[in-house]
Amino acid sequence: GQNIDQPTEMTATEGAIVQINCTYQTSGFNGLFWYQQHAGEAPTFLSYNVLDGLEEKGRFSSFLSRSKGYSYLLLKELQMKDSASYLCAVRDSNYQLIWGAGTKLIIKP
Amino acid sequence: IAGITQAPTSQILAAGRRMTLRCTQDMRHNAMYWYRQDLGLGLRLIHYSNTAGTTGKGEVPDGYSVSRANTDDFPLTLASAVPSQTSVYFCASGSGGTDTQYFGPGTRLTVL
Repeated sequence: GQNIDQPTEMTATEGAIVQINCTYQTSGFNGLFWYQQHAGEAPTFLSYNVLDGLEEKGRFSSFLSRSKGYSYLLLKELQMKDSASYLCAVRDSNYQLIWGAGTKLIIKP
Repeated sequence: IAGITQAPTSQILAAGRRMTLRCTQDMRHNAMYWYRQDLGLGLRLIHYSNTAGTTGKGEVPDGYSVSRANTDDFPLTLASAVPSQTSVYFCASGSGGTDTQYFGPGTRLTVL
């Protein structure tokens, strides 16, 4: 079967750095996405990785290792507004997105 | 209209009733999707459409139907609602290339 694993919940301090991990087992791989979802709102696109390595976009970076079936999202200089759920999704061989259950990130002052 | 809109925002529905959730996008995206989101689970694909006039089944299609008469609209119909269809429903559309999906604001549906 297809599976995306992420931690259910993480806590971090304002101004700090946090890394959210995602491991996947899917039938085929055609890219990995990270989305942010604030409570009661729609998911919004953060990043896309299809090749191994690090993609940096401001305070957010995303890393991919296809051989290990592993990705992480790195958030720097955390702000209170970063409190949200972070969703990892993999596009499989049918070009459909398989979604993890999401990681709820709690930021404390 | 800017982006994707969904209607209604929320709805309480009696079991056995028919319900259509509406979704409209103005980004001229070819692909559109319907997901449901339940607590503790990832988004699950119900139906999708790669282009106007075509539709396909996702992971959890039973009890739902869709149509894609034109590029902009992708309604989702529950023929006879059941309590297990209580969920938050998101419509999304995607562009070519990386096919990043952009989501509507969602419809919160409760079936009693």
